[in-house]
Amino acid sequence: GQNIDQPTEMTATEGAIVQINCTYQTSGFNGLFWYQQHAGEAPTFLSYNVLDGLEEKGRFSSFLSRSKGYSYLLLKELQMKDSASYLCAVRGERDSGGYQKVTFGTGTKLQVIP
Amino acid sequence: DAGITQSPRYKITETGRQVTLMCHQTWSHSYMFWYRQDLGHGLRLIYYSAAADITDKGEVPDGYVVSRSKTENFPLTLESATRSQTSVYFCASGTGELFFGEGSRLTVL
Repeated sequence: GQNIDQPTEMTATEGAIVQINCTYQTSGFNGLFWYQQHAGEAPTFLSYNVLDGLEEKGRFSSFLSRSKGYSYLLLKELQMKDSASYLCAVRGERDSGGYQKVTFGTGTKLQVIP
Repeated sequence: DAGITQSPRYKITETGRQVTLMCHQTWSHSYMFWYRQDLGHGLRLIYYSAAADITDKGEVPDGYVVSRSKTENFPLTLESATRSQTSVYFCASGTGELFFGEGSRLTVL
């Protein structure tokens, strides 16, 4: 099975940097995704890590350590529009149907304040 | 327009009624998914489909039925709705990165 842990809520100040952590325990690992979800809207893809290290994409970066079962999403130069939930999702081993199952964490609700 | 669309966006129904949520995608993705999202549980997979006429159970399939006669459509049916099925339902497609529909907010009274 898979277990994914993220903080439930975080608050950060506009212009600052915030790090959202995700730890996981899985019976197989084939990559980790981060999604952003604004209130009342659909999740949208932010990043994907399958190898250890940092992936940078503009103001957002995502880090992975497979040996520690740990990832973080780093948001720089925070803007008010970054207020949203951030979902960590782990792709595990193939199930009986051949699908590499993706399991989502419960998400971290980030509030950006002026 | 290209994308993934769900209907209805909002639905109120009564316990015991049958409800069908529709999902349509225009990318020709082979994989399609149905998730439900509830407070404290995150996104949970109900059913998925690897191709037309191929479907498989996810984490929480009980009480739901799916079909996929065409690649672009993946309807989800609640055969006899229960209050515990009140939720936000998301359809998604893709093989790596997932593309989500806007969601269908279902209330079962």
